[in-house]
Amino acid sequence: DAKTTQPNSMESNEEEPVHLPCNHSTISGTDYIHWYRQLPSQGPEYVIHGLTSNVNNRMASLAIAEDRKSSTLILHRATLRDAAVYYCILSSNTGNQFYFGTGTSLTVIP
Amino acid sequence: ETGVTQTPRHLVMGMTNKKSLKCEQHLGHNAMYWYKQSAKKPLELMFVYSLEERVENNSVPSRFSPECPNSSHLFLHLHTLQPEDSALYLCASSQGLSFGGRYEQYFGPGTRLTVT
Repeated sequence: DAKTTQPNSMESNEEEPVHLPCNHSTISGTDYIHWYRQLPSQGPEYVIHGLTSNVNNRMASLAIAEDRKSSTLILHRATLRDAAVYYCILSSNTGNQFYFGTGTSLTVIP
Repeated sequence: ETGVTQTPRHLVMGMTNKKSLKCEQHLGHNAMYWYKQSAKKPLELMFVYSLEERVENNSVPSRFSPECPNSSHLFLHLHTLQPEDSALYLCASSQGLSFGGRYEQYFGPGTRLTVT
């Protein structure tokens, strides 16, 4: 299975940047890196995804290591609404895998 | 509002009952998914449909039976469930299959199922 490793929990102060790390040492060349988040009592929500190059969108930035064995989701200014569980996922067409893992629970402190 | 709706939002059923969960997507997507989220466990992918054909069945017990009558609707038929099947059942859709990475998934709010 294409697995990811994330810290169980992290804290951030409101309006400060947050860097959420993910290790995926078993990633293969065609696996995409996806990030989703799940707010309390809601379904997961897509955040961002990428393959090799760093990616930016209105929600976040994704920084991918040169060897692709790790990545970092960057929230530029954390708000209270960003408190959620953040999942790093490897999307593989080998065995049709989209494995969520246990995620990182982000607490934002006012 | 993600464009994916699920009904009912909450369901309590006995072990001998038969019930169905419904998912509808209003996004014009071609792929749909069922996930199970148990307390303190990762989301588990159960079934995947693409263009109304099942492409993945991840060793799910036969007491769960999916149905995809068209690309907008997905059902999960439940019968003779066990208490350990109590969980949040999530439906998702994507423009094409997500495996291999091009397409993101849009999730519904889920159905909270309790088996007594």
